[in-house]
Amino acid sequence: AQKITQTQPGMFVQEKEAVTLDCTYDTSDPSYGLFWYKQPSSGEMIFLIYQGSYDQQNATEGRYSLNFQKARKSANLVISASQLGDSAMYFCAMRDFGGNQFYFGTGTSLTVIP
Amino acid sequence: NAGVTQTPKFQVLKTGQSMTLQCAQDMNHEYMSWYRQDPGMGLRLIHYSVGAGITDQGEVPNGYNVSRSTTEDFPLRLLSAAPSQTSVYFCASKSSDTQYFGPGTRLTVL
Repeated sequence: AQKITQTQPGMFVQEKEAVTLDCTYDTSDPSYGLFWYKQPSSGEMIFLIYQGSYDQQNATEGRYSLNFQKARKSANLVISASQLGDSAMYFCAMRDFGGNQFYFGTGTSLTVIP
Repeated sequence: NAGVTQTPKFQVLKTGQSMTLQCAQDMNHEYMSWYRQDPGMGLRLIHYSVGAGITDQGEVPNGYNVSRSTTEDFPLRLLSAAPSQTSVYFCASKSSDTQYFGPGTRLTVL
């Protein structure tokens, strides 16, 4: 069963604007973790942000913030003040309760327009 | 501090050939893992290890073997390559909740 769903195959955003990338997840684990990774065209996987299921506040890392809505099982990534260098694939991922199994979504391709 | 390194960067195999993808990390992480990434799909976990001598299966383990004799190294073996194993392979190691990925190996099986 698919555990991570990213419904936006491609997104466009104007430079300096904010953009939200959607992610929903499916789990019955009492505790889990949610992640976002960036994959530029060069291919490497870059960790962006982490949210634990019991964290009270939404995670933020610089221009990245994770909008965590536990009841809706969503973990959307918000990128503020988009830059041309933000153009990349973005993957949402979930860690299971045991901490050893990770599940990735199919990704969203973000293009920042000058 | 090199982080996670993978060799080779590119490899072409014929069906039925065997090979080992190498992965090493210098961060003293106990947890290491292997993923494959196919077009239009996210990363899928193949195998993982929580320490030397301990390995377990991920989501797509069939056709792959692993072993972990040291903390630093976690090789992935394809005993008899198949065209369905054409993919990009990523190795990762984990500290707390953050996974650090290697640069990937692009494997083509003809």
